[in-house]
Amino acid sequence: GQNIDQPTEMTATEGAIVQINCTYQTSGFNGLFWYQQHAGEAPTFLSYNVLDGLEEKGRFSSFLSRSKGYSYLLLKELQMKDSASYLCATMDSNYQLIWGAGTKLIIKP
Amino acid sequence: GAVVSQHPSWVICKSGTSVKIECRSLDFQATTMFWYRQFPKQSLMLMATSNEGSKATYEQGVEKDKFLINHASLTLSTLTVTSAHPEDSSFYICSARIRDTEQFFGPGTRLTVL
Repeated sequence: GQNIDQPTEMTATEGAIVQINCTYQTSGFNGLFWYQQHAGEAPTFLSYNVLDGLEEKGRFSSFLSRSKGYSYLLLKELQMKDSASYLCATMDSNYQLIWGAGTKLIIKP
Repeated sequence: GAVVSQHPSWVICKSGTSVKIECRSLDFQATTMFWYRQFPKQSLMLMATSNEGSKATYEQGVEKDKFLINHASLTLSTLTVTSAHPEDSSFYICSARIRDTEQFFGPGTRLTVL
């Protein structure tokens, strides 16, 4: 079957670093995505990993280990505007996205 | 980046009426569009895959006669919620595929059925 697990909620302090983990089991794999979603809005693309390793993009980095079925999103220098839900999604062999339930990140001053 | 629009942004309707939601790719052609539904505090659930010029492919548990999808052109897909009921109240989001591994999302439509 297909399954994606990520924590329901995390809390972090402004200026700090936070790592959001995602583990997955999917039939077929064409990459892993991270999206940011603010309340009442559609998801916005953050990152895409298809090969093992770390992809860095400004304050955000994403890591993938295909052998472990594991990814994380690393957010540095947290800002209040980073308060949002972060969705982990894998793309299956039919190029359809399989979504995790999302991690609600709360940033405190 | 590519832009996808949805109209309307929000709609309130009476139970039993039908509502049409439009999804447009503004600066690219999309042979495939996806329709998602998201209930509060839950993740996106794929409802159907819409292919231009052919019938949509619905996910298990989604009633095709209730959620009518038309993908009449390479830039427009519509979702019609027929005989809407309060349990259909949700956030409906479309996305357009620009290549195999890239989708762009519309801003979403908030439907409230009274």
